[in-house]
Amino acid sequence: GAGVSQSPRYKVAKRGQDVALRCDPISGHVSLFWYQQALGQGPEFLTYFQNEAQLDKSGLPSDRFFAERPEGSVSTLKIQRTQQEDSAVYLCASSPSGKDEQFFGPGTRLTVL
Amino acid sequence: AQSVTQLGSHVSVSEGALVLLRCNYSSSVPPYLFWYVQYPNQGLQLLLKYTTGATLVKGINGFEAEFKKSETSFHLTKPSAHMSDAAEYFCAVSDNAYGANNLFFGTGTRLTVIP
Repeated sequence: GAGVSQSPRYKVAKRGQDVALRCDPISGHVSLFWYQQALGQGPEFLTYFQNEAQLDKSGLPSDRFFAERPEGSVSTLKIQRTQQEDSAVYLCASSPSGKDEQFFGPGTRLTVL
Repeated sequence: AQSVTQLGSHVSVSEGALVLLRCNYSSSVPPYLFWYVQYPNQGLQLLLKYTTGATLVKGINGFEAEFKKSETSFHLTKPSAHMSDAAEYFCAVSDNAYGANNLFFGTGTRLTVIP
């Protein structure tokens, strides 16, 4: 079956632009997670959804970062007024419930010039 | 607070040799521990996990890890390295907040296998 997909795979933005990153979780998975992976680092937790409810957004680094999952399926991570320090790979993961194994997508590599 | 330390950002082994990747954790609650593997331009794949019960956990591709509470360690081993094992390996601990396993990752260990 299809795994977690993310689009675009690569995104180049000029500093100050807004970007939107999409995650399509595995069908039927209740939980969805976003992580940020800077170059040479491990992934860092950003936010967590259970269905359409955003239960934890403690990892979002600033109010320029916003995530939504309006129908409890596809999720979008939006970054407003991008800065160079936002350059990273953004990983999405889903799981049947929050306590199960997380299945990761291939990530979106964001480069801010 | 939960955190993970992976000793050695790069490890090189000869094909057929023992693989040992080190992970130490810090957790304020009984930990759930994970090892993930990441191949270039791919997402993370779960190798194995410890939640409760048996402290020696077997995973995919011949890997195993042992949870040692007294040492706060969860080292990953494989008796005989294969060329296909070359990848980045991440240890992670979960905080179990909001009933979910939000994962806290180490900085990773890049494994090189020498023919």
